[in-house]
Amino acid sequence: QVRLQESGPGLVKPSETLSLTCAVSGGSISSSNWWSWVRQPPGKGLEWIGEIYHSGSTNYNPSLKSRVTISVDKSKNQFSLKLSSVTAADTALYYCVAAYSSSSYFFDYWGQGTLVSVSS
Amino acid sequence: SSELTQDPAVSVALGQTVRITCQGDSFRSYFASWYQQKPGQAPLLVIYGKNSRPSGIPDRFSGSNSGNTASLTITGAQAEDEGDYYCNCRDSSSNHVVFGGGTKLTVL
Repeated sequence: QVRLQESGPGLVKPSETLSLTCAVSGGSISSSNWWSWVRQPPGKGLEWIGEIYHSGSTNYNPSLKSRVTISVDKSKNQFSLKLSSVTAADTALYYCVAAYSSSSYFFDYWGQGTLVSVSS
Repeated sequence: SSELTQDPAVSVALGQTVRITCQGDSFRSYFASWYQQKPGQAPLLVIYGKNSRPSGIPDRFSGSNSGNTASLTITGAQAEDEGDYYCNCRDSSSNHVVFGGGTKLTVL
């Protein structure tokens, strides 16, 4: 059973960079999953941010691509999210998620989520 | 970019059948997956692939696909099925992933 745990600051100032890390346990980050970030603003729906494969290949949401970097650290079995130039609109619950991709694509393991507020 | 459209809200009488739909152009290469989210909880995968359920998901949940519409059907809805339901898919041409806007299910 793969377990995911997000960590990082809960408060970020406007124009600064949001940084989160997701620790993976119960499985290897070098497995055939895409490791993803999904966010959910308070009271709103889910938004895919982007994903990374253990090879380093990435895909990003076009609406966030200019501000997003997702990286993987195989030695620590974790992956990370950086979102630059944040505004209040980036306030959300951020989830790290394991995605299975073959003939189907689905998110089968979710972290509990971490709330990040953008405020001065 | 690809989009997935869901009805914002649906209601069903206890024990009756309800279908939640998701419309979009992304289903050409991948089947939709479906997630249930209850207040204060992370989303939970309920349907993936053509019509598969993860371990622990009751068999009253089923999925189907027809053209550009994916559907989640709950046969004999229970009170504990109340929550928000999201569809999701990957666009194979762009490798972008999209979610539907979500459907709030109320069990009366």
